[in-house]
Amino acid sequence: DTAVSQTPKYLVTQMGNDKSIKCEQNLGHDTMYWYKQDSKKFLKIMFSYNNKELIINETVPNRFSPKSPDKAHLNLHINSLELGDSAVYFCASSHGQGKTDTQYFGPGTRLTVL
Amino acid sequence: KQEVTQIPAALSVPEGENLVLNCSFTDSAIYNLQWFRQDPGKGLTSLLLIQSSQREQTSGRLNASLDKSSGRSTLYIAASQPGDSATYLCAVRLGGGWDMRFGAGTRLTVKP
Repeated sequence: DTAVSQTPKYLVTQMGNDKSIKCEQNLGHDTMYWYKQDSKKFLKIMFSYNNKELIINETVPNRFSPKSPDKAHLNLHINSLELGDSAVYFCASSHGQGKTDTQYFGPGTRLTVL
Repeated sequence: KQEVTQIPAALSVPEGENLVLNCSFTDSAIYNLQWFRQDPGKGLTSLLLIQSSQREQTSGRLNASLDKSSGRSTLYIAASQPGDSATYLCAVRLGGGWDMRFGAGTRLTVKP
């Protein structure tokens, strides 16, 4: 059974389009995250959701919006895609923010904006 | 601002060697430090998590140490195998508990 899953795995789209990436975790975790990995393999946190509340929001453009229909899902919606949005996006989850909070990551979604 | 650096960027060793991967961070006010493994095209697999109050963690052939005062962590891999070939990332969770900063990773190749 996959712990953290993301769909799609690859996404190729034109500039200006709106797209969504879905994430689901079956671990019963309370917190989910979205990360953006750039070409230099730095992973920067974008969003964190804990019990359906947005906990942190880095300096991410408001074209990006996380949507959490329930505790097991945290989807990433992107409006008006730009070339610079091309990257690999990782979803992750953890039990909470306690001291034993190992993060479990999904396989990533490679987004290419043409 | 917390910066995380991993050295070397790439490492190639023959099978059976013991090796050490290094991670350094600029701000010692961390919540914990985590080592991950990333295989090409796949997600991150958590290897070891060291809390800020701990000095080391061990799992099988892996041993991770943490020296918070000097801003350093090492991942020791004993008796390396070709299956260990991957990119190894370290990440620190900042004192506030939510934000994480990752290093750029060390790409390890273990040759048969």
